[in-house]
Amino acid sequence: EVQLVESGGGLVQPGRSLKLSCLASGFTFSNYGMNWIRQAPGKGLEWVASISSSSSYIYYADTVKGRFTISRDNAKNTLYLQMTSLRSEDTALYYCARRDGGVTTPFAYWGQGTLVTVSS
Amino acid sequence: DIVLTQSPALAVSLGQRATISCRASQSVSTSSYNLMHWYQQKPGEQPKLLIYDASNLASGIPVRFSGSGSGTDFTLTINPVQADDIATYYCQQSRELPLTFGSGTKLEIK
Repeated sequence: EVQLVESGGGLVQPGRSLKLSCLASGFTFSNYGMNWIRQAPGKGLEWVASISSSSSYIYYADTVKGRFTISRDNAKNTLYLQMTSLRSEDTALYYCARRDGGVTTPFAYWGQGTLVTVSS
Repeated sequence: DIVLTQSPALAVSLGQRATISCRASQSVSTSSYNLMHWYQQKPGEQPKLLIYDASNLASGIPVRFSGSGSGTDFTLTINPVQADDIATYYCQQSRELPLTFGSGTKLEIK
């Protein structure tokens, strides 16, 4: 069974940093592209970043480019999102999601999410 | 960016058909694929993939869900609607970056 478990969320002050993790199990992690998608409280879904299986291809939404870094450790079956210069508008539930192919394929599996709150 | 437009809410009676639309600001189809996908999100839960490439049912999804469309106009149909289908439904395009979602359609029971 595919499982994605996010962690690392919490309350952080504006301008500070936070690193999210997503531990994958139930599949061969190194074979799949991974993604971060966020959802502000009571709002819709927003794609944040994508990384290919071997980290060769990385893409970001303009709203986070230059501030967030997606990475992965295939030996540890873990996806990361390093977030810096956090803003109040980054407050959201952050989901990791697995694709079954390239960037044109859908988000086939989702984790439960980890909540990031940016506030002083 | 490709903007996806959905109606905010839809009220349907149990056992009837629900038709949820998604209009893209430009075509999301290639010569081979219609790169529009649909997700269901129930309150307090993560989204779940329902339909991929406009009309293909994802694994384990009941056949009362179906999708259609091409170019800029897409539809998710639920027939018949059951109480368990109360949720918000999102369309998402993967034709080009940035990947974008519609704002969601909340399905309510009349």
